[in-house]
Amino acid sequence: GENVEQHPSTLSVQEGDSAVIKCTYSDSASNYFPWYKQELGKRPQLIIDIRSNVGEKKDQRIAVTLNKTAKHFSLHITETQPEDSAVYFCAASDTGTASKLTFGTGTRLQVTL
Amino acid sequence: NAGVTQTPKFRILKIGQSMTLQCTQDMNHNYMYWYRQDPGMGLKLIYYSVGAGITDKGEVPNGYNVSRSTTEDFPLRLELAAPSQTSVYFCASSYWSENIQYFGAGTRLSVL
Repeated sequence: GENVEQHPSTLSVQEGDSAVIKCTYSDSASNYFPWYKQELGKRPQLIIDIRSNVGEKKDQRIAVTLNKTAKHFSLHITETQPEDSAVYFCAASDTGTASKLTFGTGTRLQVTL
Repeated sequence: NAGVTQTPKFRILKIGQSMTLQCTQDMNHNYMYWYRQDPGMGLKLIYYSVGAGITDKGEVPNGYNVSRSTTEDFPLRLELAAPSQTSVYFCASSYWSENIQYFGAGTRLSVL
């Protein structure tokens, strides 16, 4: 089955700096890669996703890059703000298998003033 | 729209008790999923369903059962609760062609 590794497990940045979270996956058949943000005690919420036919996707301060050859994808947050503090999860899915997601273990991002 | 609704929000069980976690969605999604999230960890798939009457095991199905008699509902059953089942349980749903999964607010379960 799919295995997703995520690094780092914790990340502390100053407000206004950039943050980068990296994930690797094992199954070359995976073709959908979402990122979820989870605030303390809340449900995971999708913030951005990318499909295998695209190398990069951007939404305001958030961007995701995908390298299919190396089987890794990354989340980039620019101009970080205190409200970006949360746990971020990457995931991978082969859309041919009921879109089952395999999640990474999460990155706790702390944005300090 | 309410989206994905889970009940109860919190529950404490004694070892050996049973309970059903309820999940319902009003988005007419084909796919539904149950995950568990242990403290400081990612989400692990317990069971999933691609439509009414069709269910299949995920990564960690032992100790759980599911059914899907309607498109809207996907209950998760714990028959003999064990301390290892202490976790936060999330239900999610998606439309088959879009992949995006929408999560419920979760059920926090403690087995003592």
